[in-house]
Amino acid sequence: QKEVEQNSGPLSVPEGAIASLNCTYSDRGSQSFFWYRQYSGKSPELIMFIYSNGDKEDGRFTAQLNKASQYVSLLIRDSQPSDSATYLCAVRGGNNRLAFGKGNQVVVIP
Amino acid sequence: DTEVTQTPKHLVMGMTNKKSLKCEQHMGHRAMYWYKQKAKKPPELMFVYSYEKLSINESVPSRFSPECPNSSLLNLHLHALQPEDSALYLCASSRQTGLAGKETQYFGPGTRLLVL
Repeated sequence: QKEVEQNSGPLSVPEGAIASLNCTYSDRGSQSFFWYRQYSGKSPELIMFIYSNGDKEDGRFTAQLNKASQYVSLLIRDSQPSDSATYLCAVRGGNNRLAFGKGNQVVVIP
Repeated sequence: DTEVTQTPKHLVMGMTNKKSLKCEQHMGHRAMYWYKQKAKKPPELMFVYSYEKLSINESVPSRFSPECPNSSLLNLHLHALQPEDSALYLCASSRQTGLAGKETQYFGPGTRLLVL
């Protein structure tokens, strides 16, 4: 079982809709969870981090963490064409290691 | 300020060349990282420095040699690379709080490396 799994395939959403991304992780002891956005050819940019169970909102982004079920999700409300990117889920393990999922490509259709 | 800078932005080198990648941060972070990223893949951890000491080497070939001259700088020395080493090389940094920290890693813009 991979450390961090993100459901595969690009996600196409109409402009103004909600994009929902999910991520599961295998290490039950993980405490820190991150979502990075990466535009093609650019470096990952942190958009959200979450440490506690529940929801965390920042502008149009909401991260949700459920440690019992070992999943973390990201909602993007009112999706804009500028949200078109690959979203990487990352989970912090021991020794400063950050385990990344494979990423989800989001395409917002105007 | 969460800026990590990297130079150069692009690098083309031959298999016999020696070159260096540089990374700098002035956020007082004491953990610094090198990652390698191939197209359409997530970043792969190469090295971690904690308080200027190498703490993780993910079995990286010796043709990659990291160096941390001080708490703000991180170098990656390259020698005798192979074409398959062509990738985006990312530097990142985070605070270093030790046990069960919740540090966020901030990435630099990367160096796009092409080995011919």
